Amino acid sequence: NAGVTQTPKFRILKIGQSMTLQCTQDMNHNYMYWYRQDPGMGLKLIYYSVGAGITDKGEVPNGYNVSRSTTEDFPLRLELAAPSQTSVYFCASSYSPGVYQPQHFGDGTRLSIL
Amino acid sequence: KQEVTQIPAALSVPEGENLVLNCSFTDSAIYNLQWFRQDPGKGLTSLLLIQSSQREQTSGRLNASLDKSSGRSTLYIAASQPGDSATYLCAVDIENSNSGYALNFGKGTSLLVTP
Repeated sequence: NAGVTQTPKFRILKIGQSMTLQCTQDMNHNYMYWYRQDPGMGLKLIYYSVGAGITDKGEVPNGYNVSRSTTEDFPLRLELAAPSQTSVYFCASSYSPGVYQPQHFGDGTRLSIL
Repeated sequence: KQEVTQIPAALSVPEGENLVLNCSFTDSAIYNLQWFRQDPGKGLTSLLLIQSSQREQTSGRLNASLDKSSGRSTLYIAASQPGDSATYLCAVDIENSNSGYALNFGKGTSLLVTP
């Protein structure tokens, strides 16, 4: 099984550019999450979704947008890239809201804003 | 706000040693606690999940314990091997009005096992 797949793996953007980070899962999980990980720090939640058509903000949502049109896909959009958004982005999914269910993570997208 | 702290930040041990990684959290109202492994340039792999009603979980050479009342968890690795070298992350799963059932992560312990 592929699990959680993130594309691209690496990307360099110029300030002010926009891009979409792709995330897809093949486990039929209802819950999906986007986290960012800064060097030497723990992961922080950006957005999450409890099912198709339903999304909500996490701890650090400013500068990002998401959509969830299907169960499988949960793309993250950066509209006006800023240096502060340089980070590693992880997508995760779980069957139910975390209770008794581990989250499954993708390999991450390493994003640099120059 | 839930704060998760991991001690030590880095640890280097010779192969074969038993070791303990520590995790503490400030809010004991958790649903579960998870330990993850992160290899360089890779995503997170779930190692053990301890439900709030449990005291410990075991998988192979790994044993994780949970003391909710004191806000502490430990990850015990027996007979360490160079392949255990990685960053180990602790995360607690809580209901939060701002982020649903999201995970709150510590900063991790970077482990190096030398041959």
